[in-house]
Amino acid sequence: NAGVTQTPKFQVLKTGQSMTLQCAQDMNHEYMSWYRQDPGMGLRLIHYSVGAGITDQGEVPNGYNVSRSTTEDFPLRLLSAAPSQTSVYFCASRANWGEVRLEQYFGPGTRLTVT
Amino acid sequence: GQNIDQPTEMTATEGAIVQINCTYQTSGFNGLFWYQQHAGEAPTFLSYNVLDGLEEKGRFSSFLSRSKGYSYLLLKELQMKDSASYLCAVPLAGNNRKLIWGLGTSLAVNP
Repeated sequence: NAGVTQTPKFQVLKTGQSMTLQCAQDMNHEYMSWYRQDPGMGLRLIHYSVGAGITDQGEVPNGYNVSRSTTEDFPLRLLSAAPSQTSVYFCASRANWGEVRLEQYFGPGTRLTVT
Repeated sequence: GQNIDQPTEMTATEGAIVQINCTYQTSGFNGLFWYQQHAGEAPTFLSYNVLDGLEEKGRFSSFLSRSKGYSYLLLKELQMKDSASYLCAVPLAGNNRKLIWGLGTSLAVNP
């Protein structure tokens, strides 16, 4: 199993550009989520999904869109990049959305800089 | 609301024991997680506690006191590779699909 994969690993955008961060998992996990991690702010949930076709907002959803057309993929779209979106983005998955005790598996992260 | 507090930084010596504390406030408790994150890498799962007491897993142990809103991670026989950030997290009250994360404790292990 590759686990959770993310592409790209690094990205530089100009303000106003759009892009999609890719996330895929091969563990047949129901639950997938996107976090951003900033110094002094910790991990903050952007969006999450409990299955194909079902998504919901986290703490900081503004400026981001998600979709879940398959169990495996959960892309994160930045609609119009802003410098405040400079961050490290992690995708994570968990086997069952209802089983809170289960560990989350994180992808390696995407380091995004918006100039 | 919910809040998690952890010390920002700690230092310890190789071979020693260190205790990393986490206090939390939540209206509905549904367990507490510890994750380890090395610099530049993704978090990895260490433990989940939902009942009071100590759970041991090799060199790492995690303790929970629900009445005090308190947990700690105990690392024994410290190794240089234990230098990392240790993150405490709890599920959002009433919503198992969201975790609230502490800012993490950065542990430096010195020779």
